[in-house]
Amino acid sequence: NAGVTQTPKFQVLKTGQSMTLQCAQDMNHNSMYWYRQDPGMGLRLIYYSASEGTTDKGEVPNGYNVSRLNKREFSLRLESAAPSQTSVYFCASSDGQGVGNIQYFGAGTRLSVL
Amino acid sequence: AQSVSQHNHHVILSEAASLELGCNYSYGGTVNLFWYVQYPGQHLQLLLKYFSGDPLVKGIKGFEAEFIKSKFSFNLRKPSVQWSDTAEYFCAVSPRSNTGKLIFGQGTTLQVKP
Repeated sequence: NAGVTQTPKFQVLKTGQSMTLQCAQDMNHNSMYWYRQDPGMGLRLIYYSASEGTTDKGEVPNGYNVSRLNKREFSLRLESAAPSQTSVYFCASSDGQGVGNIQYFGAGTRLSVL
Repeated sequence: AQSVSQHNHHVILSEAASLELGCNYSYGGTVNLFWYVQYPGQHLQLLLKYFSGDPLVKGIKGFEAEFIKSKFSFNLRKPSVQWSDTAEYFCAVSPRSNTGKLIFGQGTTLQVKP
């Protein structure tokens, strides 16, 4: 059982380049999330998808777009990368919005924008 | 605005020392509370959670946390740390009214010296 799988694990971009971070979960979860982790700031929510076919902005959505391709997959796209987007990106999934909701995380993608 | 504050950013302990990491949150309603751990090079893992009931909860690897509602706190404790506990620890809160929203603290890096 792989859980939440993210690709790639590492990426270096030049300013202005675009890329897509991939995330897939095999737990049949309804909800999926993208976070970024910066030193001293914890994890901040970029976008989330409460269910297949829906996406919503989180705390820091500027410069990003997302696609909930199907129930398993939720991708994050940087259209024109900026140095401020250098960060570690985590994808997470959860069963839904119920009382006992727990999020499960992938291993992360470490992105450097030069 | 809802927020989570972790008091210690970097803690250094010797093996067998006792650990207490502070976590306070600001939110007026009912919450779910979590501690996640991130070992070096790994993804975030759930350490323990509180949804309701006994405010003293036990998690994996001998960790426990106590929810004190009057103090809006959810401190993490371990009586005797091991070198393998070296990791970053995140406190997180989700409002019971929107359990898909997970708000993280800044994180505490724990370094245990052998």
